Amino acid sequence: AQRVTQPEKLLSVFKGAPVELKCNYSYSGSPELFWYVQYSRQRLQLLLRHISRESIKGFTADLNKGETSFHLKKPFAQEEDSAMYYCALGGLNSGGYQKVTFGTGTKLQVIP
Amino acid sequence: NAGVTQTPKFQVLKTGQSMTLQCAQDMNHNSMYWYRQDPGMGLRLIYYSASEGTTDKGEVPNGYNVSRLNKREFSLRLESAAPSQTSVYFCASSDGGNTEAFFGQGTRLTVV
Repeated sequence: AQRVTQPEKLLSVFKGAPVELKCNYSYSGSPELFWYVQYSRQRLQLLLRHISRESIKGFTADLNKGETSFHLKKPFAQEEDSAMYYCALGGLNSGGYQKVTFGTGTKLQVIP
Repeated sequence: NAGVTQTPKFQVLKTGQSMTLQCAQDMNHNSMYWYRQDPGMGLRLIYYSASEGTTDKGEVPNGYNVSRLNKREFSLRLESAAPSQTSVYFCASSDGGNTEAFFGQGTRLTVV
Protein backbone atom coordinates (compact mmCIF):
# COMPACT_ATOMS: atom_id res chain seq x y z
CA ALA A 1 0.00 0.00 0.00
CA GLN A 2 1.06 3.55 -0.69
CA ARG A 3 1.19 5.98 2.20
CA VAL A 4 2.45 9.53 2.60
CA THR A 5 2.96 11.09 6.00
CA GLN A 6 3.34 14.78 6.68
CA PRO A 7 3.75 15.00 10.45
CA GLU A 8 3.22 18.75 10.82
CA LYS A 9 -0.18 20.30 10.19
CA LEU A 10 1.18 23.80 10.73
CA LEU A 11 4.68 25.21 10.47
CA SER A 12 5.31 28.81 11.44
CA VAL A 13 8.63 30.46 10.63
CA PHE A 14 9.89 34.02 10.54
CA LYS A 15 10.69 35.69 7.25
CA GLY A 16 14.29 34.93 6.32
CA ALA A 17 14.46 31.77 8.42
CA PRO A 18 15.08 28.35 6.85
CA VAL A 19 12.11 26.14 6.06
CA GLU A 20 11.87 22.36 6.11
CA LEU A 21 8.57 20.64 5.45
CA LYS A 22 8.76 16.97 6.28
CA CYS A 23 7.44 14.13 4.16
CA ASN A 24 7.86 10.40 4.67
CA TYR A 25 6.48 7.72 2.43
CA SER A 26 5.79 4.03 2.40
CA TYR A 27 5.88 2.16 -0.89
CA SER A 28 7.37 -1.16 -1.88
CA GLY A 29 8.30 -0.18 -5.41
CA SER A 30 10.27 2.66 -6.94
CA PRO A 31 8.38 5.85 -6.04
CA GLU A 32 7.71 9.02 -7.94
CA LEU A 33 7.50 11.88 -5.46
CA PHE A 34 6.06 15.34 -5.81
CA TRP A 35 5.40 18.50 -3.86
CA TYR A 36 2.25 20.47 -4.60
CA VAL A 37 1.38 23.93 -3.33
CA GLN A 38 -1.99 25.56 -2.78
CA TYR A 39 -2.09 29.32 -2.29
CA SER A 40 -5.09 30.81 -0.56
CA ARG A 41 -8.34 29.89 -2.35
CA GLN A 42 -6.51 28.62 -5.43
CA ARG A 43 -6.24 25.19 -6.95
CA LEU A 44 -3.35 22.90 -6.16
CA GLN A 45 -0.43 23.12 -8.52
CA LEU A 46 2.77 21.20 -8.91
CA LEU A 47 5.75 22.77 -7.19
CA LEU A 48 8.42 20.23 -7.99
CA ARG A 49 9.05 16.55 -8.57
CA HIS A 50 12.04 14.54 -7.50
CA ILE A 51 12.86 13.24 -10.94
CA SER A 52 13.53 16.72 -12.32
CA ARG A 53 15.95 17.64 -9.52
CA GLU A 54 15.25 21.32 -10.01
CA SER A 55 14.77 24.26 -7.67
CA ILE A 56 11.46 26.07 -7.96
CA LYS A 57 10.90 29.39 -6.18
CA GLY A 58 13.99 28.58 -4.11
CA PHE A 59 12.59 25.25 -2.90
CA THR A 60 14.43 21.97 -3.26
CA ALA A 61 13.62 18.44 -2.20
CA ASP A 62 15.88 15.41 -2.10
CA LEU A 63 14.65 11.86 -2.21
CA ASN A 64 16.27 9.77 0.52
CA LYS A 65 15.36 6.17 -0.17
CA GLY A 66 17.12 4.94 2.96
CA GLU A 67 15.00 7.12 5.20
CA THR A 68 12.01 7.01 2.82
CA SER A 69 11.80 10.78 3.00
CA PHE A 70 11.29 13.64 0.58
CA HIS A 71 11.56 16.77 2.70
CA LEU A 72 11.00 20.19 1.13
CA LYS A 73 13.54 22.85 1.98
CA LYS A 74 14.15 26.53 1.41
CA PRO A 75 17.04 28.45 2.95
CA PHE A 76 15.24 31.76 3.44
CA ALA A 77 11.46 31.93 3.81
CA GLN A 78 9.50 34.73 2.15
CA GLU A 79 6.02 35.95 3.01
CA GLU A 80 4.69 34.82 -0.37
CA ASP A 81 5.64 31.24 0.54
CA SER A 82 2.72 31.11 2.98
CA ALA A 83 0.51 28.36 1.59
CA MET A 84 -0.59 24.77 2.02
CA TYR A 85 1.97 22.22 0.88
CA TYR A 86 1.18 18.64 -0.04
CA CYS A 87 3.61 15.82 -0.58
CA ALA A 88 2.45 13.18 -3.06
CA LEU A 89 3.57 9.75 -4.18
CA GLY A 90 2.87 8.12 -7.51
CA GLY A 91 2.96 4.39 -7.95
CA LEU A 92 1.05 1.23 -8.74
CA ASN A 93 -1.86 0.16 -6.60
CA SER A 94 -2.72 -3.44 -5.77
CA GLY A 95 -4.72 -3.72 -8.96
CA GLY A 96 -1.77 -2.71 -11.09
CA TYR A 97 -3.10 0.74 -11.84
CA GLN A 98 -1.17 3.95 -11.54
CA LYS A 99 -2.33 6.03 -8.59
CA VAL A 100 -1.20 9.20 -6.86
CA THR A 101 -1.48 9.43 -3.07
CA PHE A 102 -1.37 12.72 -1.19
CA GLY A 103 -0.31 13.47 2.34
CA THR A 104 -2.58 15.45 4.63
CA GLY A 105 -0.68 18.66 3.98
CA THR A 106 1.32 21.19 5.99
CA LYS A 107 0.28 24.79 6.27
CA LEU A 108 3.32 27.04 6.10
CA GLN A 109 2.90 30.39 7.77
CA VAL A 110 5.69 32.92 7.24
CA ILE A 111 5.66 35.62 9.89
CA PRO A 112 6.83 39.06 8.72
CA ASN B 1 -6.20 25.55 -22.52
CA ALA B 2 -8.98 24.56 -20.12
CA GLY B 3 -7.22 21.71 -18.26
CA VAL B 4 -9.59 20.39 -15.59
CA THR B 5 -12.99 22.03 -15.32
CA GLN B 6 -15.37 21.50 -12.42
CA THR B 7 -18.94 22.63 -12.10
CA PRO B 8 -20.48 24.15 -10.10
CA LYS B 9 -18.06 26.38 -8.16
CA PHE B 10 -20.44 26.86 -5.25
CA GLN B 11 -23.48 24.94 -4.06
CA VAL B 12 -25.74 24.98 -1.03
CA LEU B 13 -27.86 21.91 -0.40
CA LYS B 14 -30.41 20.98 2.18
CA THR B 15 -29.92 17.77 4.10
CA GLY B 16 -31.26 14.87 2.07
CA GLN B 17 -30.99 16.56 -1.30
CA SER B 18 -28.97 15.00 -4.09
CA MET B 19 -26.60 16.53 -6.58
CA THR B 20 -23.88 15.66 -9.06
CA LEU B 21 -20.54 17.40 -9.32
CA GLN B 22 -19.21 17.42 -12.83
CA CYS B 23 -15.58 17.21 -13.88
CA ALA B 24 -14.05 17.21 -17.34
CA GLN B 25 -10.48 17.22 -18.56
CA ASP B 26 -9.16 17.91 -22.03
CA MET B 27 -5.65 16.50 -21.63
CA ASN B 28 -6.48 12.91 -22.65
CA HIS B 29 -5.48 11.68 -19.21
CA ASN B 30 -6.25 8.14 -18.13
CA SER B 31 -6.50 8.73 -14.38
CA MET B 32 -9.06 10.93 -12.67
CA TYR B 33 -9.65 11.60 -8.98
CA TRP B 34 -12.14 13.16 -6.59
CA TYR B 35 -10.86 14.59 -3.32
CA ARG B 36 -12.43 16.46 -0.48
CA GLN B 37 -10.50 19.05 1.47
CA ASP B 38 -11.38 19.88 5.05
CA PRO B 39 -9.57 22.17 7.49
CA GLY B 40 -6.91 20.23 9.36
CA MET B 41 -7.57 17.08 7.34
CA GLY B 42 -5.82 17.93 4.12
CA LEU B 43 -6.82 16.15 0.93
CA ARG B 44 -8.71 12.91 1.27
CA LEU B 45 -9.37 10.68 -1.71
CA ILE B 46 -13.03 9.82 -2.26
CA TYR B 47 -12.87 7.81 -5.48
CA TYR B 48 -10.52 7.49 -8.37
CA SER B 49 -10.60 6.06 -11.85
CA ALA B 50 -7.41 4.64 -13.28
CA SER B 51 -8.86 4.40 -16.77
CA GLU B 52 -12.12 4.68 -18.64
CA GLY B 53 -14.52 2.05 -17.36
CA THR B 54 -12.85 1.51 -13.97
CA THR B 55 -13.46 3.14 -10.61
CA ASP B 56 -12.09 2.40 -7.16
CA LYS B 57 -12.88 3.57 -3.67
CA GLY B 58 -10.49 5.87 -1.89
CA GLU B 59 -10.26 6.68 1.80
CA VAL B 60 -13.71 8.22 2.31
CA PRO B 61 -16.18 6.79 -0.24
CA ASN B 62 -19.24 6.48 2.00
CA GLY B 63 -22.13 8.64 0.86
CA TYR B 64 -20.73 9.12 -2.64
CA ASN B 65 -20.96 7.46 -6.02
CA VAL B 66 -18.99 8.12 -9.17
CA SER B 67 -19.32 7.60 -12.88
CA ARG B 68 -16.52 7.61 -15.39
CA LEU B 69 -18.72 8.54 -18.31
CA ASN B 70 -15.92 8.51 -20.84
CA LYS B 71 -12.25 9.34 -20.86
CA ARG B 72 -12.94 13.06 -20.40
CA GLU B 73 -15.58 13.07 -17.70
CA PHE B 74 -15.72 11.84 -14.12
CA SER B 75 -18.74 12.81 -12.03
CA LEU B 76 -19.32 12.60 -8.29
CA ARG B 77 -22.84 12.11 -6.94
CA LEU B 78 -24.18 12.73 -3.48
CA GLU B 79 -27.43 10.76 -3.23
CA SER B 80 -28.60 12.14 0.11
CA ALA B 81 -26.47 15.04 1.29
CA ALA B 82 -25.50 15.30 4.95
CA PRO B 83 -23.92 18.21 6.85
CA SER B 84 -20.76 16.10 7.24
CA GLN B 85 -20.31 16.40 3.48
CA THR B 86 -19.80 20.14 3.73
CA SER B 87 -16.37 20.55 2.19
CA VAL B 88 -14.38 21.76 -0.77
CA TYR B 89 -14.27 19.15 -3.51
CA PHE B 90 -11.44 18.91 -6.01
CA CYS B 91 -11.28 16.90 -9.18
CA ALA B 92 -7.88 16.02 -10.62
CA SER B 93 -6.48 14.12 -13.55
CA SER B 94 -3.11 12.68 -14.45
CA ASP B 95 -1.58 10.53 -17.10
CA GLY B 96 -0.80 7.91 -14.49
CA GLY B 97 0.46 7.91 -10.95
CA ASN B 98 3.97 8.93 -11.84
CA THR B 99 3.08 12.12 -13.66
CA GLU B 100 1.86 15.54 -12.62
CA ALA B 101 -1.74 15.75 -11.43
CA PHE B 102 -3.77 18.70 -12.63
CA PHE B 103 -6.53 20.03 -10.43
CA GLY B 104 -9.80 21.78 -11.02
CA GLN B 105 -10.63 25.00 -9.24
CA GLY B 106 -12.75 23.27 -6.63
CA THR B 107 -16.42 23.16 -5.63
CA ARG B 108 -17.36 24.69 -2.32
CA LEU B 109 -20.33 22.67 -1.05
CA THR B 110 -22.36 23.55 2.02
CA VAL B 111 -25.03 21.20 3.34
CA VAL B 112 -27.45 22.79 5.79
